Amino acid sequence: AAGVIQSPRHLIKEKRETATLKCYPIPRHDTVYWYQQGPGQDPQFLISFYEKMQSDKGSIPDRFSAQQFSDYHSELNMSSLELGDSALYFCASSPQTALRPGPNSPLHFGNGTRLTVT
Amino acid sequence: AQKVTQAQTEISVVEKEDVTLDCVYETRDTTYYLFWYKQPPSGELVFLIRRNSFDEQNEISGRYSWNFQKSTSSFNFTITASQVVDSAVYFCALSFRDDKIIFGKGTRLHILP
Repeated sequence: AAGVIQSPRHLIKEKRETATLKCYPIPRHDTVYWYQQGPGQDPQFLISFYEKMQSDKGSIPDRFSAQQFSDYHSELNMSSLELGDSALYFCASSPQTALRPGPNSPLHFGNGTRLTVT
Repeated sequence: AQKVTQAQTEISVVEKEDVTLDCVYETRDTTYYLFWYKQPPSGELVFLIRRNSFDEQNEISGRYSWNFQKSTSSFNFTITASQVVDSAVYFCALSFRDDKIIFGKGTRLHILP
């Protein structure tokens, strides 16, 4: 079965550069979530989109922005990168509420993009 | 406020021992969902279980079992006869709208051969 695709898998950037992370949700999933996991930390919710509109916002820095496109893929744009932005970035997708299966996770996580800022 | 507490930062056990990972949660909502995820060294998040607040039945899946107790706001996870491949970071998590998931800090489990 198709899973959530994130690209790139690894990214190395220098301080003050910009980075764009991409997420391709599972087909027919209309909600996308972004999480940031620093080294030794738990995943922290950044932002989510439902039907191309921002639906919720967490601890996302002002230097970061995201959007969901008409084909439901999402991009996380990060500017003026700092060393502290080095982390594993997860994208997750979810179908509309009525279709979320009972015993399973409502969120399907991608394998993450590991961003290293030097 | 919603919060998940995993008091055990790191646990080491010898292979074949049983091990229990503790999870305590806080929420004011009457409807909520609890999860456990496994994160092996390769980094991906592997879904293990989802429980809604109205289902306090304990669950067993192979060597894994979960004990949900609303009275103590706990959702503990036990691995029986642990194996080296169980070495990972385990996250307990909470969602109140079956939507955004809030993770605990995680417990790093080392299974020693």
